[in-house]
Amino acid sequence: TQLLEQSPQFLSIQEGENLTVYCNSSSVFSSLQWYRQEPGEGPVLLVTVVTGGEVKKLKRLTFQFGDARKDSSLHITAAQPGDTGLYLCAGDRGGSNYKLTFGKGTLLTVNP
Amino acid sequence: NAGVTQTPKFQVLKTGQSMTLQCAQDMNHNSMYWYRQDPGMGLRLIYYSASEGTTDKGEVPNGYNVSRLNKREFSLRLESAAPSQTSVYFCASRGRGTPPYEQYFGPGTRLTVT
Repeated sequence: TQLLEQSPQFLSIQEGENLTVYCNSSSVFSSLQWYRQEPGEGPVLLVTVVTGGEVKKLKRLTFQFGDARKDSSLHITAAQPGDTGLYLCAGDRGGSNYKLTFGKGTLLTVNP
Repeated sequence: NAGVTQTPKFQVLKTGQSMTLQCAQDMNHNSMYWYRQDPGMGLRLIYYSASEGTTDKGEVPNGYNVSRLNKREFSLRLESAAPSQTSVYFCASRGRGTPPYEQYFGPGTRLTVT
C-alpha cells in the first residue's frame, strides 16, 4: 500500500512555465518533507512543513501543507532548466522509530 | 565535514556472491537508514537503526542483513546476491533533538547483479 501518492509521475515543460506537484495521503503526518534528487546523486532536502496550512517559500518554489496534514503541494514559478530533477515528498508519522514514508516521486524536465 | 559517505559507488556481482555496503556519517546523528531505489518504485526502506545498538526491519528486508558497528557506521550485507537486488542503494542519517528530523543522504551505491 502506497501511503503517499505523488502526481504527476512525469512532467515535461518549457522554461518559464509554472507547475504544481501534488503529494496526497489518507494518513495524517506530523511533518512532511520535500527532497530533490539529481541524476547520480542522493536526495537533498528542500523544505520541511510541520503545521497544517503552512506555506513556505524558497525563491521560486512554494510549498504548502494541507490543513488536515494529509497532503502537500509544490509550486514552481517560471521554471528553469536547473529545476530539472526528481522531486520526492516524504511524510513523518511521528513516534519513536523516526521512519519516513516516501512517495514515488515526480520526474520534472524543464526544456530550454 | 563530509556528511554521509558510502562505499563502493559502483559494484557488479554475480548471482550468489556476497558483499557489504559501507556507510558512515560524521554529523553525530543517532539514526541511520538503508534504502533501495528502483525505477517507478521510489525509495523503499530496507533496515534502519534508531540508535546505536539497535536495528529494525523496514519495508523490504528479505535478503539483507545490517550491522550498526558504532554511532558513525551502518553497513548493509547481501549474503547471496540475486538479480532482484539490482538497484541503487542509499544510506541516510537523521539527527535528534527538536523535530522535525530531516534525513541526510549519501551519494548512493549502484549495484548490478548478473
